[in-house]
Amino acid sequence: GENVEQHPSTLSVQEGDSAVIKCTYSDSASNYFPWYKQELGKRPQLIIDIRSNVGEKKDQRIAVTLNKTAKHFSLHITETQPEDSAVYFCAASIVDTGRRALTFGSGTRLQVQP
Amino acid sequence: DSGVTQTPKHLITATGQRVTLRCSPRSGDLSVYWYQQSLDQGLQFLIHYYNGEERAKGNILERFSAQQFPDLHSELNLSSLELGDSALYFCASSGRTSEKLFFGSGTQLSVL
Repeated sequence: GENVEQHPSTLSVQEGDSAVIKCTYSDSASNYFPWYKQELGKRPQLIIDIRSNVGEKKDQRIAVTLNKTAKHFSLHITETQPEDSAVYFCAASIVDTGRRALTFGSGTRLQVQP
Repeated sequence: DSGVTQTPKHLITATGQRVTLRCSPRSGDLSVYWYQQSLDQGLQFLIHYYNGEERAKGNILERFSAQQFPDLHSELNLSSLELGDSALYFCASSGRTSEKLFFGSGTQLSVL
């Protein structure tokens, strides 16, 4: 089955700096890569996703890049703010008619220092 | 609010007991997924149902079972509970035309 590795496990940045979280996946058939943000005690919330036919996607201060050849994808957050502090999870799945489950990385705890 | 409803929010029980967690997916969503999140751990996939049928199993223990009913709500049954089963259990749903998963607020299970 799919295996997703995520690094780093913790990340501390100063407010206004950029943060980068990296993930690798094992199954070359995976074609959907979402990122979730989970605040303490809350549900994971989808913040951005990318399909394998796209190399990069941006949404305001966040962006995701995908390298299919190397089987890795990254989340970039620019101009970080204290409210960006949370645990971020990457995930991968094969999207076909079967709507397969997501395999998640182990998470990155991001701390933005004011 | 994601539109996915989970009940109860909190559950405290003793070892050896059996509990049932309930999930109502977003209106129109046919897929329901169950995930387990232990303290400071990631999201471990348990099981996936699509329109009443089991589609895939992940790291689900034999003591655990689930089903999806004709009205598309799902229940996760946990039996012979052990201390290590204490975790946050999430349900998620996805629609016919989108791969996006939307999570419920979770059920916090504490086994004492």
